[in-house]
Parts: sequence; C-alpha cells; structure tokens
Amino acid sequence: AQRVTQPEKLLSVFKGAPVELKCNYSYSGSPELFWYVQYSRQRLQLLLRHISRESIKGFTADLNKGETSFHLKKPFAQEEDSAMYYCAPRRISPRTYSGAGSYQLTFGKGTKLSVIP
Amino acid sequence: DGGITQSPKYLFRKEGQNVTLSCEQNLNHDAMYWYRQDPGQGLRLIYYSQIVNDFQKGDIAEGYSVSREKKESFPLTVTSAQKNPTAFYLCASSGKREISYEQYFGPGTRLTVT
Repeated sequence: AQRVTQPEKLLSVFKGAPVELKCNYSYSGSPELFWYVQYSRQRLQLLLRHISRESIKGFTADLNKGETSFHLKKPFAQEEDSAMYYCAPRRISPRTYSGAGSYQLTFGKGTKLSVIP
Repeated sequence: DGGITQSPKYLFRKEGQNVTLSCEQNLNHDAMYWYRQDPGQGLRLIYYSQIVNDFQKGDIAEGYSVSREKKESFPLTVTSAQKNPTAFYLCASSGKREISYEQYFGPGTRLTVT
C-alpha cells in the first residue's frame, strides 16, 4: 500500500532561517509527488510538482528515490510562508479512464509551518 | 478563487439526519473528488468520480453516498450511518496543467452534527 509520512506536525522557524519540511513515501513504480499548501482562510492549493522541477515562492523539492523522500526546502523563511503544508504522492489506481481521473492523490497528515518574526 | 464552489460554508444537523453537501465546478473538469479533513489526520478520500455517471469509493466511503448526474456537480450525502460526521469537507476537481494534472479545491464546508 502507498504511504506518505510527514514526521513533523508543527515546525517553527525564525524569519530568515532555512526551512525543511520532511516527506517520506512508500511507493511502487515511478512516483509522482506534489506539495500542497493551505494558508490561513484560503483554499488548499498546489505549491509545486516534482515532475516540473519548478521553484515556487522560493520553495524547491527534490525527489530522492534512494531515500524515498521529497522534502520541501526554502533557504530563507518569510512570515507569509506560515501555513499548513501537505505532501501528496499520486496514488496507483486502476485506470478506468485516462486523464485527470487517474490522478488521485494520497495526502500526508500535514506539517504546520510557523515563521516567527 | 472561483471555479469550484461549495455550499453552505457551515452546516449544522441533528444526529440521525442525512445531509447533502453541494459541490459545483465550472472548470469543465471530468474528475471530481470529496475529501474529509480532520485535525492531525490530513485529507482522506471519501469518493471520487472520473466521469459523469461514474464514481468510486475512496478510503473512507462508509456512511457516505454521492451522485454524478452532471459534469458540473458532485453532491455528497452524509448519512446517519456515518459514525463521526462532524468534520471539514473538501471538494476538488482535477484538470491538466502542462504535463500533469492538478487538483483544484473548493473552500470547504464545515459540518457539525449534534
């Protein structure tokens, strides 16, 4: 079964300090992973995808297949980064139909990041 | 914001009553999803639908039912059989973004059953 672990429920860092939110997964086949973020009073939204190797709001995440990790990093935390972060690997499911329906996700329990001014 | 709407924002019901949560999207997405979000539990998949007139159980479907009669709509009914219905419910739809797909979320409905 696919599993995703975010070991920290809460992570507090000072403004300007580096941030690393951990995510470990168990997966069969080629993994595809995402980070979602939920700011206070806002909707859950996609932050970044490993497949596109993008950097969003200064955050990056590298897929480490050897360690089965997809940690989210930012060199200098900002107060506006305070939010709930979820790691979400794509789950394997029967493809009854191709396309968007086969992109189901398994969400981790989330890490609440608090950036202290 | 926009694209996916959920109503109402807050819902209160007495134990033993069924309640239906609304989810509408105008993004022309084929796939839609219902999640339940509890503190410390993350998001858990209740039901999903890949296309109109089709839906499948997720990880915690017991006590819930759905329908998908229109592409734009995916209502969730929380039945009296659901043992712990008080929760925050999120609806999502997914569409293609470049080379993969992205799930877009609604604002959520907070259901309280007493």
